[in-house]
Amino acid sequence: AQSVTQLGSHVSVSEGALVLLRCNYSSSVPPYLFWYVQYPNQGLQLLLKYTTGATLVKGINGFEAEFKKSETSFHLTKPSAHMSDAAEYFCAVSNAGGTSYGKLTFGQGTILTVHP
Amino acid sequence: EPEVTQTPSHQVTQMGQEVILRCVPISNHLYFYWYRQILGQKVEFLVSFYNNEISEKSEIFDDQFSVERPDGSNFTLKIRSTKLEDSAMYFCASSELLVVNFGAGTRLSVL
Repeated sequence: AQSVTQLGSHVSVSEGALVLLRCNYSSSVPPYLFWYVQYPNQGLQLLLKYTTGATLVKGINGFEAEFKKSETSFHLTKPSAHMSDAAEYFCAVSNAGGTSYGKLTFGQGTILTVHP
Repeated sequence: EPEVTQTPSHQVTQMGQEVILRCVPISNHLYFYWYRQILGQKVEFLVSFYNNEISEKSEIFDDQFSVERPDGSNFTLKIRSTKLEDSAMYFCASSELLVVNFGAGTRLSVL
């Protein structure tokens, strides 16, 4: 069974400050890991994904995440927050060995607030 | 950019009524999914659909639920007899392989 834990349901940063959203996962097989963002009244949009290879992955809007197997973590970072980054962020894991790559297990989400 | 579209955005129904949630996946995608999110809880996988049949389903997806791809473009989720606890946001999604594209969701309110 897989699971995802996002530490902190709400994170608040100042504009220009570092964004760090934490995600830890549990998986019995090599995982595929994803970060999605949801803006109000919109669907879940893929920010970035890790499958194999380079453990530091870059996504859209200046976000990146690093897969650390030893820590079972996939934290999301952005060096400088922008007001437009305010949204809810979801970490998700998929079973790389499964028959359905799209069967995602989600964390509970982190709401990011950016203050001027 | 192609997107998954869902209708309606908000559906209100009475307990015990049947409801059909509709989705138009991205046209060249082969895998289709339904997820739901009860208010304050995690987004949960319900079912995946490939080659005109269910490929995987969760424990939530019991006999009250069914999915159908009635034509080449639509993908529907039917709840036969809605319960209060079915109130949630329902997300349709589609993918070619790894990248899953989600719709904006249908908020289902069961009264």
